Amino acid sequence: KAGVTQTPRYLIKTRGQQVTLSCSPISGHRSVSWYQQTPGQGLQFLFEYFSETQRNKGNFPGRFSGRQFSNSRSEMNVSTLELGDSALYLCASSFGGWGSTDTQYFGPGTRLTVL
Amino acid sequence: SQQGEEDPQALSIQEGENATMNCSYKTSINNLQWYRQNSGRGLVHLILIRSNEREKHSGRLRVTLDTSKKSSSLLITASRAADTASYFCATDPMDSSYKLIFGSGTRLLVRP
Repeated sequence: KAGVTQTPRYLIKTRGQQVTLSCSPISGHRSVSWYQQTPGQGLQFLFEYFSETQRNKGNFPGRFSGRQFSNSRSEMNVSTLELGDSALYLCASSFGGWGSTDTQYFGPGTRLTVL
Repeated sequence: SQQGEEDPQALSIQEGENATMNCSYKTSINNLQWYRQNSGRGLVHLILIRSNEREKHSGRLRVTLDTSKKSSSLLITASRAADTASYFCATDPMDSSYKLIFGSGTRLLVRP
């Protein structure tokens, strides 16, 4: 079974631009979550989508948004990029069931550099 | 900050020795998970322990969970150079809008 894939793997943008990152989950998984990893703040949860609806949300500004398509693929968008948005963006997929055993499987990440 | 705390921040051991990492968290949880990350790449899931479990084993890994102290530990026995990585605990919090809350991580170096 193929793992979680993320595209692109590397991206360089300038301040003020916007960017869209893509994530394809493991086949059969309906939940996709996004995380930001930086040296200063570590790994932080952005949001989770399940069946095309945002189900959970972390504490990030509205410049960070996402969506999920009917095939469970997800995109994350960051508008008006700031230098501090430079980070590794990780996507994770899971079956998304409620309860105590929903294991998340992570993709390789997209490294975004904002100049 | 979303983060839980892990200690030590860094650990250097000889191949064949055991490595122990500790994690503390703040809220009630559904489960706690441990992940490994090599050199800023994707996270690899290692083990999940439910809130009603106290200990779990998987190969050379042993995880304990003490919900009264809101803490967990990961023991890697007979370590190998290939175990060199960063290790993160992550909690699935109850009654929260967060999916997973990660600890700050422990960087493990296993010297051959």
